[in-house]
Amino acid sequence: GNSVTQMEGPVTLSEEAFLTINCTYTATGYPSLFWYVQYPGEGLQLLLKATKADDKGSNKGFEATYRKETTSFHLEKGSVQVSDSAVYFCALTPIKAAGNKLTFGGGTRVLVKP
Amino acid sequence: GAGVSQSPSNKVTEKGKDVELRCDPISGHTALYWYRQSLGQGLEFLIYFQGNSAPDKSGLPSDRFSAERTGGSVSTLTIQRTQQEDSAVYLCASRPTGISTDTQYFGPGTRLTVL
Repeated sequence: GNSVTQMEGPVTLSEEAFLTINCTYTATGYPSLFWYVQYPGEGLQLLLKATKADDKGSNKGFEATYRKETTSFHLEKGSVQVSDSAVYFCALTPIKAAGNKLTFGGGTRVLVKP
Repeated sequence: GAGVSQSPSNKVTEKGKDVELRCDPISGHTALYWYRQSLGQGLEFLIYFQGNSAPDKSGLPSDRFSAERTGGSVSTLTIQRTQQEDSAVYLCASRPTGISTDTQYFGPGTRLTVL
């Protein structure tokens, strides 16, 4: 079956530090890959996505590249802000499969301190 | 509406009672999903609707859980004889039709607490 593994948190950083959250997946075929973010007290929001190998998704200074050879989709940001404190979820959906239900990783809590 | 809405935002109930959770998807979105977010299990898929039918119910944890969708719009998730392990945040998401439209849009969730 499909599965997503991401690094456990919490990750605590200082403002302007570099952030990496590792994500690897297991899936049949070529899934679409997503990063969702959940800010304190808010719902899940799509942060970025990539639908095929070597695609790079980017948004709000975050980037992730779809690496088929390593089955990974690591999230990076060069300079984090306090407002980036949130829980980040890596997820996949098997494109073209009936339903396209999402399989999520366990989530990584990130805390950015001023 | 502008986004997916869910009601109630919070629900506290006693063990053994039935609860109904409501989801209003984004207008025109034919696909609708229910997920559950709990401390022990993370984010889990429950059920998927395409229109009013549910071709994938594989995530429903027991026969106490059921869901329906009417008019291709509003969906209700019902939990009968609630147990303490049902305590979680129940999330609804919707997606436009079409294979290339794979992004799901989530509502704010309903936090269910079973005492």
